[in-house]
Amino acid sequence: GAGVSQSPSNKVTEKGKDVELRCDPISGHTALYWYRQSLGQGLEFLIYFQGNSAPDKSGLPSDRFSAERTGGSVSTLTIQRTQQEDSAVYLCASSDRRTGELFFGEGSRLTVL
Amino acid sequence: AQTVTQSQPEMSVQEAETVTLSCTYDTSENNYYLFWYKQPPSRQMILVIRQEAYKQQNATENRFSVNFQKAAKSFSLKISDSQLGDTAMYFCAFMKHVANNDMRFGAGTRLTVKP
Repeated sequence: GAGVSQSPSNKVTEKGKDVELRCDPISGHTALYWYRQSLGQGLEFLIYFQGNSAPDKSGLPSDRFSAERTGGSVSTLTIQRTQQEDSAVYLCASSDRRTGELFFGEGSRLTVL
Repeated sequence: AQTVTQSQPEMSVQEAETVTLSCTYDTSENNYYLFWYKQPPSRQMILVIRQEAYKQQNATENRFSVNFQKAAKSFSLKISDSQLGDTAMYFCAFMKHVANNDMRFGAGTRLTVKP
């Protein structure tokens, strides 16, 4: 596609429910990142996929968070048993291996009531 | 682990004037990449400027330029002739190397351009 696509744009859920956020990277980009951005704050690294290598999961805040990337393309970030502190914008990015530039999606805003 | 520090949470500048945003980083690597990204209120992050550490010449993109001081591990962004559309969050970012491009960001600086 022309850019990184994320869905849903906005998600409101009740505490304790599971949510899935989807990211469709730019075709041909081998690296994919998930970041979390709380209101007015910086980007918190969550997880990084590079090709077929084992993902770097060092930023996942708890075992309620998981992510997978199928076929080296689409990625899904899953948050189980959501808590209010999970409310944030979740940003996905893919990168051009030649230049290192990250291309971001518009993010998924998650609100946990 | 690499860390990126932006010591100015908020800054403001008058339209048409020049402003400089600070960024320092910590790494033991000799070759790496540095970036400035802009996030307008619309939320979409976009690349402003990029610098390879092995290049001594400071990168420039129109009104945006950097002052890269490798020994001091400093990478500041200068915006000349500020425009209202420059109002945004600005993030400094570090990447060890392109082949394994794990990128880490600073906390950001909120810049407001005043008319």
